[in-house]
Amino acid sequence: EAAVTQSPRNKVAVTGGKVTLSCNQTNNHNNMYWYRQDTGHGLRLIHYSYGAGSTEKGDIPDGYKASRPSQENFSLILELATPSQTSVYFCASGDAGGNGQLYFGEGSKLTVL
Amino acid sequence: GDKVKQSPSALSLQEGTNSALRCNFSIAATTVQWFLQNPRGSLINLFYLVPGTKENGRLKSAFDSKESYSTLHIRDAQLEDSGTYFCAAPQGGSAKLIFGEGTKLTVSS
Repeated sequence: EAAVTQSPRNKVAVTGGKVTLSCNQTNNHNNMYWYRQDTGHGLRLIHYSYGAGSTEKGDIPDGYKASRPSQENFSLILELATPSQTSVYFCASGDAGGNGQLYFGEGSKLTVL
Repeated sequence: GDKVKQSPSALSLQEGTNSALRCNFSIAATTVQWFLQNPRGSLINLFYLVPGTKENGRLKSAFDSKESYSTLHIRDAQLEDSGTYFCAAPQGGSAKLIFGEGTKLTVSS
């Protein structure tokens, strides 16, 4: 079973502050993803990556940056957090080619006050 | 419009009964994945499908890429089946996996 670990699991931030959500996977998957989940919207793709050094925009990238410094790590960065970014964020990893099975982390709950 | 549309949006079942969830695609899906989000919020892999069917215990899933839909059948529903079921498919052969809005299932005794 794939192991995807997110940190922090819970975070309270202030408006205008910087937030970094980290994700680590130990299964040597090429692809990694950041989704957010809000009531009424299901899971929406923010950024994804095909491998170290690669970041791609998903469907809702505005207000977010991503960084993939290594195969194992993929970070989501909110430079200037806003209350509208209050959500639960999920990281996932999967095999290359886009058709690989996805494995999710446990989620990070972010509250921006 | 919705690229991955799930139905129904919510479903209530008595223990021991059967039901089916559906996922319709307006994208050219080549694979589909089904997940269960349990009441604690964890996303659990249920099925990863190419066109065809798979079965795992009381769950069975089918994927028809030509007709652009997938189904998830639950047999003999149990309380622990409660949660939200999501289907997802890659868009255009890319790594972008698009999710449906989910079906919230409540199983009661």
